[in-house]
Amino acid sequence: SQKIEQNSEALNIQEGKTATLTCNYTNYSPAYLQWYRQDPGRGPVFLLLIRENEKEKRKERLKVTFDTTLKQSLFHITASQPADSATYLCALDNTDKLIFGTGTRLQVFP
Amino acid sequence: GAGVSQSPSNKVTEKGKDVELRCDPISGHTALYWYRQRLGQGLEFLIYFQGNSAPDKSGLPSDRFSAERTGESVSTLTIQRTQQEDSAVYLCASSLGLFQETQYFGPGTRLLVL
Repeated sequence: SQKIEQNSEALNIQEGKTATLTCNYTNYSPAYLQWYRQDPGRGPVFLLLIRENEKEKRKERLKVTFDTTLKQSLFHITASQPADSATYLCALDNTDKLIFGTGTRLQVFP
Repeated sequence: GAGVSQSPSNKVTEKGKDVELRCDPISGHTALYWYRQRLGQGLEFLIYFQGNSAPDKSGLPSDRFSAERTGESVSTLTIQRTQQEDSAVYLCASSLGLFQETQYFGPGTRLLVL
């Protein structure tokens, strides 16, 4: 069956450290993968898109990797701040639809 | 503000009633999507509209759900004879094109069916 898996347990890290979130998928062959941030009571906000022929993408303190052999994407936030606390969702394209994972909640404490 | 707006922000209804949710996309965005998000869950695709093409309704969970879009503007999602399991946040998003582009989400409508 097709699945997108993100760690359902919250990730708690100390301010200044690097947060790494994982997105694994099975039985999909996405052309690209996206990461979104969702704060409580709000809609998701787009962060980064990485295509299947790209190994890595960076934007300020954010870095995304995409390994189509492992069927995995890693999302890194360097020098994390309490303001980075939110739920992070990965999403991949499946033909003509975008399929979302359940998200991982990140908590950055001072 | 030029973002995606949704109304109402919250809706409480009784089981069996019909509800209508509204989405105003960003001007110029040809693609519009509806998603459902149950508590603690990911986003569940419901339907999308792209320009004048026939909408993809394959994600609608039952025939109680329907959606319309007027041209490239407002969309309404209608749920008839609501059930308690319909309780969720209903999110609308729009994009310049179909899926290849960034999706911009509205704040959602929180629906509670008693």
